[in-house]
Amino acid sequence: QVQVVESGGGLVKPGGSLRLSCAASGFTFSDSYMAWIRQAPGKGLEFVSYITSSGGYISYADSVKGRFTISRDNAKNSLSLQMNSLRAEDSAVYYCARAKSGLDSWGQGTLVTVSS
Amino acid sequence: EIVLTQSPGTLSLSPGERATLSCRASQNVDNNNLAWHQVKPGQAPRILISRTSNRATGIPDRFSGSGSGTDFTLTISRLEPEDFAVYYCQQYGRPPWTFGQGTKVEIK
Repeated sequence: QVQVVESGGGLVKPGGSLRLSCAASGFTFSDSYMAWIRQAPGKGLEFVSYITSSGGYISYADSVKGRFTISRDNAKNSLSLQMNSLRAEDSAVYYCARAKSGLDSWGQGTLVTVSS
Repeated sequence: EIVLTQSPGTLSLSPGERATLSCRASQNVDNNNLAWHQVKPGQAPRILISRTSNRATGIPDRFSGSGSGTDFTLTISRLEPEDFAVYYCQQYGRPPWTFGQGTKVEIK
């Protein structure tokens, strides 16, 4: 079955960097758009970024543009999110999702905490 | 970017009652590419509806979606105990994709 599993979350100081990964299985990864979404404590869902199947088009939320970089390795069925210049307001659970007809398969999420 | 406004913020209902959730977009949603997601504490979100009215695999038929352009609705015909959760609309018609702020359906 379709499965996506996030990893790489943790505690990081403001201004620091972190790289999240998402391992995909159970579907043809190279045919699928993929996305990152986050949910801060007590807040709603927030779109972060998506990437097309080939990686030829990428979109970011204004709140992360210039600081976060999404990428994919179709040979390894993996998605990444490089997060630089992290701020306290970036603290959230980060979800990876397959973006087929909306966001049709979500992972369990990985927690990122930005704090000194 | 397209701003999605959901109403009401909270819906207090009893099991067996009908729930009607609204999602209004600041601009037309291209191709009616609007989805609804359900979020429960400690669980991964799950998609209920895609392209305004298409139920996702395994979603019971008490969930239905409707609308077009800028106005969309999620209806739960008869609330079951497991339906009490937070619901988000999401547009994927035009980048950047965006979510509404959510509607919490709580037990009255």
